[in-house]
Amino acid sequence: NAGVTQTPKFRILKIGQSMTLQCTQDMNHNYMYWYRQDPGMGLKLIYYSVGAGITDKGEVPNGYNVSRSTTEDFPLRLELAAPSQTSVYFCASSYSGDPSVGYTGELFFGEGSRLTVL
Amino acid sequence: LAKTTQPISMDSYEGQEVNITCSHNNIATNDYITWYQQFPSQGPRFIIQGYKTKVTNEVASLFIPADRKSSTLSLPRVSLSDTAVYYCLVGFRILTGGGNKLTFGTGTQLKVEL
Repeated sequence: NAGVTQTPKFRILKIGQSMTLQCTQDMNHNYMYWYRQDPGMGLKLIYYSVGAGITDKGEVPNGYNVSRSTTEDFPLRLELAAPSQTSVYFCASSYSGDPSVGYTGELFFGEGSRLTVL
Repeated sequence: LAKTTQPISMDSYEGQEVNITCSHNNIATNDYITWYQQFPSQGPRFIIQGYKTKVTNEVASLFIPADRKSSTLSLPRVSLSDTAVYYCLVGFRILTGGGNKLTFGTGTQLKVEL
């Protein structure tokens, strides 16, 4: 299994440009997430989705948009890129099941996408 | 969401046991406690999860006192490869509907030396 796959791994954008970070998972997970991680900091939740067609904002959604048309894909759109969006972006997925039978809601992360806005 | 507090950094030597404590004073009744490990340039990786008392797996133990206001991740006999950032997360898991806004703090940077 590939798990969670993110593309591209690296990208340099100019201020004002737009782009989409792609994320796909092959584990049939219902939940998917986008986090960003600035140098030396923890991860901050941008958006998440509990299933196809359902998305919701996390801690830092401004400047980003998401969609979830399929279970597998959860792209993150950056509109009008700004230097403050320079960061490493991680996509993750999880399966939400009954904890009494052992489901932990474990997050599976992709390898990250390093974005620089100049 | 319950806020967590962890030490910013810890140092240890190979072969020692390392205990990292996380404070979560406002943990809710249906919150689980989960620990993740992150190496540089990689996404976090699940280590262990618990609700109360003690949980042990092949890599770590998690101790949770009766009041659940703190938890301790115990790594037995650490090696150089355990040098990483360790995150404590507190959050419930929604079984149907709702969301799962698991948030990461700044974590604890563990450095293991020879």
